[in-house]
Amino acid sequence: AQSVAQPEDQVNVAEGNPLTVKCTYSVSGNPYLFWYVQYPNRGLQFLLKYITGDNLVKGSYGFEAEFNKSQTSFHLKKPSALVSDSALYFCAVRDTTMNRDDKIIFGKGTRLHILP
Amino acid sequence: GAVVSQHPSWVICKSGTSVKIECRSLDFQATTMFWYRQFPKQSLMLMATSNEGSKATYEQGVEKDKFLINHASLTLSTLTVTSAHPEDSSFYICSAPLVKGVNEKLFFGSGTQLSVL
Repeated sequence: AQSVAQPEDQVNVAEGNPLTVKCTYSVSGNPYLFWYVQYPNRGLQFLLKYITGDNLVKGSYGFEAEFNKSQTSFHLKKPSALVSDSALYFCAVRDTTMNRDDKIIFGKGTRLHILP
Repeated sequence: GAVVSQHPSWVICKSGTSVKIECRSLDFQATTMFWYRQFPKQSLMLMATSNEGSKATYEQGVEKDKFLINHASLTLSTLTVTSAHPEDSSFYICSAPLVKGVNEKLFFGSGTQLSVL
């Protein structure tokens, strides 16, 4: 069965420093991978996705993620963190070999704190 | 961009009563909508997939008679928690894909916090 792991409950980064939010996955076939962000009192917002092609994916708000097949990872990164990046981040995966379409599994989320 | 509206944002009810949560796609048609439940410090758990004009598909372990889903139109899906109990207290979120077939971009409602006394 497919699964997603976000090993860190919380990540603290000083403003202006690079940030990384980790995600590893397990699927039987090829994955579709996603990152979503949840701001307080708001719904989840899509950040970026990996379907195929370049391993480095660029998304919204200056975020990017690198797909690493050998390490089954899809870490979220940003070169220079902003205080406004503080939020809850979810990694998600869809196994393309699943018979049913549109089933997506989320990680438990990582809370990102950017310190002024 | 696409907007999914979820109502109510929060609800408090007595044990044994039923609660209806609405999820609307405001500027696009959604033949499919997803209902999730979020536990503290845990991931969103997919409860069911609602399909316009047909029966919902429930995930394993989710009681169909407990969580009634209706997708009556291309813009509205409802989740009714029947005979709610304190253990049903949770944060419920709906989402809808803008492109059917590949949910490469999901739009989410703002969620409903349900508290059952």
